Amino acid sequence: AAGVIQSPRHLIKEKRETATLKCYPIPRHDTVYWYQQGPGQDPQFLISFYEKMQSDKGSIPDRFSAQQFSDYHSELNMSSLELGDSALYFCASSTLDRANNEQFFGPGTRLTVL
Amino acid sequence: AQSVTQLDSQVPVFEEAPVELRCNYSSSVSVYLFWYVQYPNQGLQLLLKYLSGSTLVKGINGFEAEFNKSQTSFHLRKPSVHISDTAEYFCGSGTSYGKLTFGQGTILTVHP
Repeated sequence: AAGVIQSPRHLIKEKRETATLKCYPIPRHDTVYWYQQGPGQDPQFLISFYEKMQSDKGSIPDRFSAQQFSDYHSELNMSSLELGDSALYFCASSTLDRANNEQFFGPGTRLTVL
Repeated sequence: AQSVTQLDSQVPVFEEAPVELRCNYSSSVSVYLFWYVQYPNQGLQLLLKYLSGSTLVKGINGFEAEFNKSQTSFHLRKPSVHISDTAEYFCGSGTSYGKLTFGQGTILTVHP
C-alpha cells in the first residue's frame, strides 16, 4: 500500500540558511499534519492543513511557513535556520473519514543545522 | 487541554516476558487515545487506537491496551515480547479530527 512520502530524507544546512521539506500524502488523503521531534523528545505538532486550508497551528516559529497545494502535497518552508531547528520532521496524513483520525506518518526528514 | 503522561521513560525486559507500558491521560472531553511505535531511525507506526466502544483494544504485533476511565489510564500490554519489539513507544491523545499530542515516550529494550 502507498505510504506517506517525505523528501528529502536527510538535509544539512548552515545557520541562517533556508530549507524546504516536502510531504506527499497517501492518495485520497485530504489532511496533512507536520510534527517536529527534537533529539530525545516526543513529536510536537507544528501545523495542519485540510483541503488546502490551514486547519490548526501549534508551536510553529514565525520563521516557518507551510502550505498545501492543489494535489494535496505539502511543503514546510524554514528560513533563518537556527541550531535548535535540528530535528526530525514528520509529516502525517489522514482521510476524509474525520471520525477516525488515524494519522499515517512518513519516515521523516532529518534536518541538521550546522 | 488533553495531555498524556507516560510513567516510565525506559523499560528493560527479557525476551518472552510480559510487558506493560503505562500511560495516564487527562481530559474533560471525549478522548481519542493511541499508541504509536517508533523503531530506530524510522517513522511512527500506529499500534492501536481507542475512540469508543470496547475498552480492550487489540493492535498489531500482539499488543493490546485497556481504556480505564476511572483510573484515566491507557496502558499497553504484551504477554510475551520479542527482541524485535525493542523500540520507543508513544502514548498520545487527540480529538477525532485534529492534532495528536504525544507523551514523552517509553524506550522498551528486550534482552535475550
